[in-house]
Amino acid sequence: AQSVTQLDSQVPVFEEAPVELRCNYSSSVSVYLFWYVQYPNQGLQLLLKYLSGSTLVKGINGFEAEFNKSQTSFHLRKPSVHISDTAEYFCAAGGGSQGNLIFGKGTKLSVKP
Amino acid sequence: NAGVTQTPKFQVLKTGQSMTLQCAQDMNHEYMSWYRQDPGMGLRLIHYSVGAGITDQGEVPNGYNVSRSTTEDFPLRLLSAAPSQTSVYFCASSYSIQNTEAFFGQGTRLTVV
Repeated sequence: AQSVTQLDSQVPVFEEAPVELRCNYSSSVSVYLFWYVQYPNQGLQLLLKYLSGSTLVKGINGFEAEFNKSQTSFHLRKPSVHISDTAEYFCAAGGGSQGNLIFGKGTKLSVKP
Repeated sequence: NAGVTQTPKFQVLKTGQSMTLQCAQDMNHEYMSWYRQDPGMGLRLIHYSVGAGITDQGEVPNGYNVSRSTTEDFPLRLLSAAPSQTSVYFCASSYSIQNTEAFFGQGTRLTVV
């Protein structure tokens, strides 16, 4: 079955600390992979995407992700987080059978001062 | 360039009422879709369209209807609202069914009482 799994539902972290949000995908989905961010009461904004090419993808706001085919992972990282990074992050894969994105259940990142 | 525009942003309905959530995009995208977002569930596909005049059901279509008379517009109709339809609804569009990148509206927060 096609699926995307976000391994942590909540991640608390202190400001200026590094963070990694984990995402695994089933090998049956396509390798079009995305991370979206949702700030409170807002829509989804694309952080970064992997379509092909270099396995290290850089996105907006200092985030990056690494595509690892052997481990079927696409973890999101930031070396130093800010209070303003507090949001919910969604990992998604393209290639659903209906042309849709397949979403993970989200990870709430909470950055504390 | 407005992207994907959803209206209204908030709505309260009584059980049994009907309403239409509006969605319009100005990017000439062929593929449009509706998702609902519920806590801890990620986003689930309700209906989608691969072009004007063509629609199909997604993962959770019951209680919803769609039409696509133009490339730009993809309204979602709730036929007889139920409390289980309390959710946040997102419209998305992408260039094609291969869905290399989806653009999302700001969402409609619907409460059914």
